[in-house]
Amino acid sequence: RKEVEQDPGPFNVPEGATVAFNCTYSNSASQSFFWYRQDCRKEPKLLMSVYSSGNEDGRFTAQLNRASQYISLLIRDSKLSDSATYLCVVNHDRGSTLGRLYFGRGTQLTVWP
Amino acid sequence: ETGVTQTPRHLVMGMTNKKSLKCEQHLGHNAMYWYKQSAKKPLELMFVYNFKEQTENNSVPSRFSPECPNSSHLFLHLHTLQPEDSALYLCASSQFGGGNNEQFFGPGTRLTVL
Repeated sequence: RKEVEQDPGPFNVPEGATVAFNCTYSNSASQSFFWYRQDCRKEPKLLMSVYSSGNEDGRFTAQLNRASQYISLLIRDSKLSDSATYLCVVNHDRGSTLGRLYFGRGTQLTVWP
Repeated sequence: ETGVTQTPRHLVMGMTNKKSLKCEQHLGHNAMYWYKQSAKKPLELMFVYNFKEQTENNSVPSRFSPECPNSSHLFLHLHTLQPEDSALYLCASSQFGGGNNEQFFGPGTRLTVL
């Protein structure tokens, strides 16, 4: 079973739409959760961390359900510049051990005018 | 602009060549990583260095040889590669003990093995 699973998409949505991405992880001991964004032929960059209580950053809302081992990312009022691949990332390590990140395959989003 | 740089950005090499990829981080981090990203596959962790010591080798073939002379520099030495090794090789750094282990990536080296 894969450590992190995501729907690869692609998602094609018009500007202004709301789009949601889902992700599941296999290790219940996972400690930290993130969404990274990767533009075409560029490196991944941290979009936002995901906290247990859920968190929002402008048009982006992340949710975590530890019981279901499920993470989501909601993008409201999509912009053309949101077109990218969104990577779900989890960290399994605890405390003093060096954090190892596990990446999903990514979900591709295209926002069209 | 990221604080992690990688050179070269593009590399084409034959199977008998020897080349090296270089990574440098300007963020004062103490951990560095090599990842491989192939088409349609998730990022694969290759090596981890923590305080210049290799702490993880994720079953990487010996034709890939990492070197970490100090906490700011990381190399990946390549020799007798195979065409299936063609991929984007990404370097990342983080601050061990920094809480959530956010990793900062370099722009990558796009490698083609002929």
